[in-house]
Amino acid sequence: EAGVAQSPRYKIIEKRQSVAFWCNPISGHATLYWYQQILGQGPKLLIQFQNNGVVDDSQLPKDRFSAERLKGVDSTLKIQPAKLEDSAVYLCASSLNRGNEQYFGPGTRLTVT
Amino acid sequence: SQQGEEDPQALSIQEGENATMNCSYKTSINNLQWYRQNSGRGLVHLILIRSNEREKHSGRLRVTLDTSKKSSSLLITASRAADTASYFCYLYSGAGSYQLTFGKGTKLSVIP
Repeated sequence: EAGVAQSPRYKIIEKRQSVAFWCNPISGHATLYWYQQILGQGPKLLIQFQNNGVVDDSQLPKDRFSAERLKGVDSTLKIQPAKLEDSAVYLCASSLNRGNEQYFGPGTRLTVT
Repeated sequence: SQQGEEDPQALSIQEGENATMNCSYKTSINNLQWYRQNSGRGLVHLILIRSNEREKHSGRLRVTLDTSKKSSSLLITASRAADTASYFCYLYSGAGSYQLTFGKGTKLSVIP
């Protein structure tokens, strides 16, 4: 089966600019996750969707980050405006349902200069 | 946030030796999952153990779970250079779970 797709793979922007990431989960997976992983740390959950509803966005910096999941399938994560501390790898994952094993995409490496 | 704490933070062994890493947690769980992350294959799920299970095997991997001590261990037998990676545990506490995330992981280096 096809895995989780993410784009772009790399992005370099200047601070205060905006950026968007896209994720296409595995077909049929109800749960979609966005994580932020800073170098040397484990992935930190930003937002979790169940179908097209938000289950948990408690760790999403809502003043600058936003995310949506269209028709319960694809998802986009946006940062506007970006800060230097947003430099990280942004991982998208999906699972059949909450609590099941997660399948991760290759990630988007964001560098904010 | 609900996360496990992996121990040790770093581990270096010779190829062919066994590697053991641990995960401790504070909440009650529905299941506990182990993941591996290396530069080549990204983050990959290894094994899931449910709260009513005590031990589970998958190839060279053995996971144990002690819910009374709130801890789990991952044993990799006959390690290979390709096992060099960071290993994370992930806790799932059920439908009401929030702020589920990963710990800092154990960085395993297998020396050929």
